[in-house]
Amino acid sequence: GQQVMQIPQYQHVQEGEDFTTYCNSSTTLSNIQWYKQRPGGHPVFLIQLVKSGEVKKQKRLTFQFGEAKKNSSLHITATQTTDVGTYFCAEDSGGSNYKLTFGKGTLLTVNP
Amino acid sequence: DTAVSQTPKYLVTQMGNDKSIKCEQNLGHDTMYWYKQDSKKFLKIMFSYNNKELIINETVPNRFSPKSPDKAHLNLHINSLELGDSAVYFCASSQQGVSSPLHFGNGTRLTVT
Repeated sequence: GQQVMQIPQYQHVQEGEDFTTYCNSSTTLSNIQWYKQRPGGHPVFLIQLVKSGEVKKQKRLTFQFGEAKKNSSLHITATQTTDVGTYFCAEDSGGSNYKLTFGKGTLLTVNP
Repeated sequence: DTAVSQTPKYLVTQMGNDKSIKCEQNLGHDTMYWYKQDSKKFLKIMFSYNNKELIINETVPNRFSPKSPDKAHLNLHINSLELGDSAVYFCASSQQGVSSPLHFGNGTRLTVT
């Protein structure tokens, strides 16, 4: 079935450095969601992108949806130790309203 | 507190046993889900229910039987547990389908020995 490919699988940065994770799909997505899971925690919703070329910001986090709605990215500026966790993108599997398929996630670790 | 709550938090059991995980949401959501997260952190959907009705069964073995007595509850019963069932199981809910954000419970870490 349809699945977004997420890269990188792991990213280790020094505190203060920037971080980006990418999701790519071979088909057009109706929308994409982003979640964060802290170590030992549960996934927490961050944002949903719906429109082609959409850019949304949450403080140091910037989310983009590609013009063709086949890719998305999450960029964190000046990482902090509180940003540690796994970031997942998720898509609705070709329009199924009851199945959200998650990418494999990017584990971000931050060295203080 | 408004939340998705699941119990137990930890479950350690032997192969062949039967166990249940309970999930309740007080958010007034129509849709509930079970996800399995393996050791590599891959989140895989197992089931989704909408207003107590099964919508998605993602080729899960028959040993797994979800039950939704009402739209606020979705329990998961597992028969004849196997080593490969060891994982973290997350319950989640959303207002109506996946066009709205999923709210996850804290997870149940199942260890089968």
